[in-house]
Amino acid sequence: AQSVTQLDSQVPVFEEAPVELRCNYSSSVSVYLFWYVQYPNQGLQLLLKYLSGSTLVESINGFEAEFNKSQTSFHLRKPSVHISDTAEYFCAVKGTGGFKTIFGAGTRLFVKA
Amino acid sequence: EAGVTQFPSHSVIEKGQTVTLRCDPISGHDNLYWYRRVMGKEIKFLLHFVKESKQDESGMPNNRFLAERTGGTYSTLKVQPAELEDSGVYFCASSQDITEPNTEAFFGQGTRLTVV
Repeated sequence: AQSVTQLDSQVPVFEEAPVELRCNYSSSVSVYLFWYVQYPNQGLQLLLKYLSGSTLVESINGFEAEFNKSQTSFHLRKPSVHISDTAEYFCAVKGTGGFKTIFGAGTRLFVKA
Repeated sequence: EAGVTQFPSHSVIEKGQTVTLRCDPISGHDNLYWYRRVMGKEIKFLLHFVKESKQDESGMPNNRFLAERTGGTYSTLKVQPAELEDSGVYFCASSQDITEPNTEAFFGQGTRLTVV
């Protein structure tokens, strides 16, 4: 079984500041890791994923996440946020042998001008 | 290409009534999933269809919930009778490959269900 803990329910930050959204997971098996984003009034969208290989993965809009197996973490970072990054972000895991995705409770990112 | 579509987007019903949610997956996607998010909490897995068969329904809360997937195409999730604690956002997702768990799942916008 897997579980996901997102350590911050809300993160307010000023525009152009850096941000880190924290995610820790637990699992008895190997996992795939994901970050999903939900913009206001929209559905969930995949932001980035770690399947294997390089532990640092990037999205097309400047976010990156690093898989740290020893710390069982998959924190999401962006060096400079924009107002348009305001959204709710969900960390998720899936066992490599299964189809069920386990989500965290979400982190609301508020970017202020 | 159309994405995952869910109907209705919002539903407000009284306790004891019946509600049916519908999900149209992306055409050709064999995997279909239902998830639910109760306010402020994590998104929880309900069940997984492979084509018309239930592959995993371990997350279904109780027997008031019934999911079907006619002919392996669209799916419905019926709640009968609805209770207050059933309120939340119900998400549907689909993915293509039934042999590869790492294929991306595409989500719909969700149905916000409010039971009063």
